[in-house]
Amino acid sequence: QVQLVESGGGVVQPGRSLRLSCAASGFTFSSYGMHWVRQAPGKGLEWVAVISFDGTKKYYADSVKGRFTISRDNSKNTLYLQMNSQRAEDTAVYYCAKERGTDSSGYYQLTPDSWGQGTLVTVSS
Amino acid sequence: DIVMTQSPDSLAVSLGERATINCKSSQSVLYSSNNKNYLAWFQQKPGQPPKLLIYWASTRESGVPDRFSGSGSGTDFTLTISSLQAEDVAVYYCQQYFSTPPAFGQGTKLEIK
Repeated sequence: QVQLVESGGGVVQPGRSLRLSCAASGFTFSSYGMHWVRQAPGKGLEWVAVISFDGTKKYYADSVKGRFTISRDNSKNTLYLQMNSQRAEDTAVYYCAKERGTDSSGYYQLTPDSWGQGTLVTVSS
Repeated sequence: DIVMTQSPDSLAVSLGERATINCKSSQSVLYSSNNKNYLAWFQQKPGQPPKLLIYWASTRESGVPDRFSGSGSGTDFTLTISSLQAEDVAVYYCQQYFSTPPAFGQGTKLEIK
């Protein structure tokens, strides 16, 4: 079955950097786009970024554009999120999620269908 | 960008009764070439990641009980739980995936009355 395990969270000072990782297993990682979605304490879900199956296409939320970089290493079945110039408002649980991909009818779906347990990032001095 | 708005923000329903959650998109998420609505529903229980319940606005994900159903088209959508069970207590989110950013609604907290 699909397994996604995030790591790399912790406490970081404002303005500093942190890199999150997401180790994937149980599916052909190189065939699916992958998302990062975050959730601030007690708040709703906020989509952060998505990367295509081959890493050539990347899209970001306006709130992180220019500061965060999504990437992947298909040889290691691992997704990354490089977070620079961190702000207090970046404090959240960060989830990686696998896109649903192309179904049996041939239609592509960007929406996530499997999620990791999340890793907590706290931006504080 | 498409904005998703859910109503109500919270809802209390008696066990065995029907629960209805609404979701409205600021633009249509119906793709005319395939007649599919690019709208999903997620359930998030406390301390857990979200779980995909419904995609294409009305198709249940494998393993999701049939008391969960989705309906609607274009800009107005509904998630219905036909007979509320205790394990359905959660926050429910809609998400459009018609275009990026694939925005979520603000969530609806469902509780037992």
